[in-house]
This record gives sequence, structure tokens and C-alpha cells, in this order.
Amino acid sequence: DTGVSQNPRHKITKRGQNVTFRCDPISEHNRLYWYRQTLGQGPEFLTYFQNEAQLEKSRLLSDRFSAERPKGSFSTLEIQRTEQGDSAMYLCASSLAGLNYGYTFGSGTRLTVV
Amino acid sequence: DAKTTQPNSMESNEEEPVHLPCNHSTISGTDYIHWYRQLPSQGPEYVIHGLTSNVNNRMASLAIAEDRKSSTLILHRATLRDAAVYYCILRSTNFGNEKLTFGTGTRLTIIP
Repeated sequence: DTGVSQNPRHKITKRGQNVTFRCDPISEHNRLYWYRQTLGQGPEFLTYFQNEAQLEKSRLLSDRFSAERPKGSFSTLEIQRTEQGDSAMYLCASSLAGLNYGYTFGSGTRLTVV
Repeated sequence: DAKTTQPNSMESNEEEPVHLPCNHSTISGTDYIHWYRQLPSQGPEYVIHGLTSNVNNRMASLAIAEDRKSSTLILHRATLRDAAVYYCILRSTNFGNEKLTFGTGTRLTIIP
């Protein structure tokens, strides 16, 4: 297993465009999380899935953001009508359910909105 | 969410032990203490976690105060690769509050 994979690594887009990021978790992990991180801050929780069910969404996740995890495998995070404030590192993590398991994070997708 | 307090930054000499403190005075009896670190340009990496007893693994040791209001992450012999931001996080056992909530962490600089 190669860990959590995120694509693309970098994305530059013009304001108003839609973007989609993909996360491939560790195959046996049933939980998948999305976080956003801006410079100098810790990661902020966005949403998480257990299998294909989206169990929680942060208030940070505006209507322009949507995440899916079809069939409980990979996940996509889409941002519609991007704004400059969306520029950040978007991190995906996966884990087994249960408190005795840590998260495994991917290397993230850096989004720049110009 | 119960909060943690960490120093913004620390420095340590290479090949010496490092003690990274974390205060969590509002911890509840069912909160686990987790530590993650984030190297430059990478996602966070799990380091260690514990509930009440001290814990050791290949990366580090976690010393938990008897009243659980503070904990210390111990790197036994720091290397340059240990330079990172270290996050101390309380993880609740309450369903719906199990996610990791990150603060701003401690930026550890290793001096060669």
C-alpha cells in the first residue's frame, strides 16, 4: 500500500472556475477526512465519511463545496465558483473507525485561486 | 471541544532529548491525547497517543500527568529530520466529536 494519495498536487485556477480534487485512501480504511490548511495555521476540519456515508460537515463548508465518496473508496472534493479565499492546502486523511487508530494523511493538494 | 495549549516554538540541539509540553486543563475523562507532527510541505503524521498511562513507540514517548491536565511528548534523541510542527490534540470518545481538531502547534527547530 502506498498510503493516502491526493491528486493533483498543485492546482492554479481563475476565480469563478470549478475545481475537483481526488483522494485515494488506504484501501482497508473505512473513514476518510478532508481538511483545509492555510499558511501558519493548523489543519481545519471540513468533512468526513464512514464508508460512503458523509457523517459530518463543518460550518466552514459553504454551499460551494461538495464532497463525495462513491462506493466507499476514493473521494472527491469539488469547489464551485472558486474565490481567492479558497486558496489553501486541501488535505485528505484516512483511518479505521475507532479511537485507537491514528489518521494517515496525504501530502495534500495546494490550490491557488488567481 | 476541549482545548490544548502549546508553546509556539522551541529549539533543541541535535542528538539531545526534546520535551514538548502540552496543557489540557479541561480534558474530560474520556478524551484521548494524540500527537501529530507536520514536516515542511507534507501532511501531518501520527506520532503517538494515550489515555492515562505513559506510552512508548519507535518514534517517541508520551508522558501523561497523573491528573491528565498536561502531557509531554519526548523525542529521545533529536535529529534534523525531527524539525516540524508538533500538534497536541484531544480526541473525544463522544460519538460525533471523534474527529481531530488541530491547534497551531509547536514549531520545533533542531540546531545542528
